[in-house]
This record gives sequence, C-alpha cells and structure tokens, in this order.
Amino acid sequence: GAGVSQSPSNKVTEKGKDVELRCDPISGHTALYWYRQSLGQGLEFLIYFQGNSAPDKSGLPSDRFSAERTGGSVSTLTIQRTQQEDSAVYLCASSPVGSGANVLTFGAGSRLTVL
Amino acid sequence: AQSVAQPEDQVNVAEGNPLTVKCTYSVSGNPYLFWYVQYPNRGLQFLLKYITGDNLVKGSYGFEAEFNKSQTSFHLKKPSALVSDSALYFCAVRDTGGFKTIFGAGTRLFVKA
Repeated sequence: GAGVSQSPSNKVTEKGKDVELRCDPISGHTALYWYRQSLGQGLEFLIYFQGNSAPDKSGLPSDRFSAERTGGSVSTLTIQRTQQEDSAVYLCASSPVGSGANVLTFGAGSRLTVL
Repeated sequence: AQSVAQPEDQVNVAEGNPLTVKCTYSVSGNPYLFWYVQYPNRGLQFLLKYITGDNLVKGSYGFEAEFNKSQTSFHLKKPSALVSDSALYFCAVRDTGGFKTIFGAGTRLFVKA
C-alpha cells in the first residue's frame, strides 16, 4: 500500500482480555518497528524486526507483550491479560532497511483503552 | 545505551518570532539524529535528519536544526514561526552502528497569532 496501515484504529477492552493489533508496512520495507505513546509520554520503543533476523524485543515491557511478523510483511502485536496501564496509542513504523539513516514512516496508530 | 532528552515540555512563541526546540542526546558511537512532528489527529511525520557533514541541516516547512557535537545537542529552529507550526515535536537518535531509533518525550509547540 501507499502507507503504513494499522488496525484497529480504536480498541476498547476490559481488563484481563487479550488484544491483537495489526500493522501492514509499506511494500518492500524490510524493517518494522512498534512503539507505544502514552498520554504525556514520549515514544517508547517496543520491538524491531529486520528481514529474517531475530527481532529485538528489548523494549517489550513484560511477558504479556509479544509480536510476530509473518512472511516479512504484516506484523501483529499481542497483549495478553490487558491492564489499565496498557492504555496507550500503539504506533507501527517501517523503513526500507534496518540500519543507516533511513527515515521511519509511521502508521496512524491503534488507540487502546483498557477499562 | 542511547537516550534523548527534550528538556521543555512546552514552548510558547508568538507568530513571526524565531523558535527553538531543544534536544540533547547520548550515544556510544556517532549519531544519526532526526526530528519528527505530530500534528493534531495526524501521524508522525519526518522533518529532517543529520547524517554527517554540515552541522546545519535544513528540512521541511522551513525548519532547520544545528548539530553540535561538543554539546551533544540537535536543536530545532525556525526563523519565523507560523500558527500552523503548532504541534508536538520529537527528537530521535540512532547509533550509526545500530538500528534502534530512540525518541525523546516530545515538546509541544504553541504559536500564538
């Protein structure tokens, strides 16, 4: 597609439920990032995928968070047993390659509200 | 480890006046530095980047940034602010030897008419 597509744009869930957030990067972009933007906070790095390499999961806040990227394209971020502090906007970004000075192109984000 | 500091939560400036949004960084090697902007109800957009060479980098919408290695700073500037520049600005850094891009907490810019 022309840009990075994220779905759903909004998700309201109850505490304890699992949620899945989807990211469809720009075609041909081998690098894919997930960030979290909480109210009043900056962008918190979560996870990074580059081609077929093992992902960098160093930013995932707990083992309730996981992500996968199938076929080097679409990625899914899964949050298990959601907590209220998980409420945030989850942003996906992609770039042509994983290193160098390549610019990230961001999606519009998925706003998660945990009641 | 990489880090970015944006010391001001908010910057207020009158339209037509120059603006500066501050950013300092820390990396173990040489940095790639970026500024992104987030307009209300819109996604993050790239403004400009520093790779190497000239310390003054020019970007979109009349913005520029000055890389200062000794002060480890990369402040965003514009000679004459517009009301439409009001937005949330993020500074970001990546170590040239790595791939992880770390963002600052963001600075909200308000330009008054």
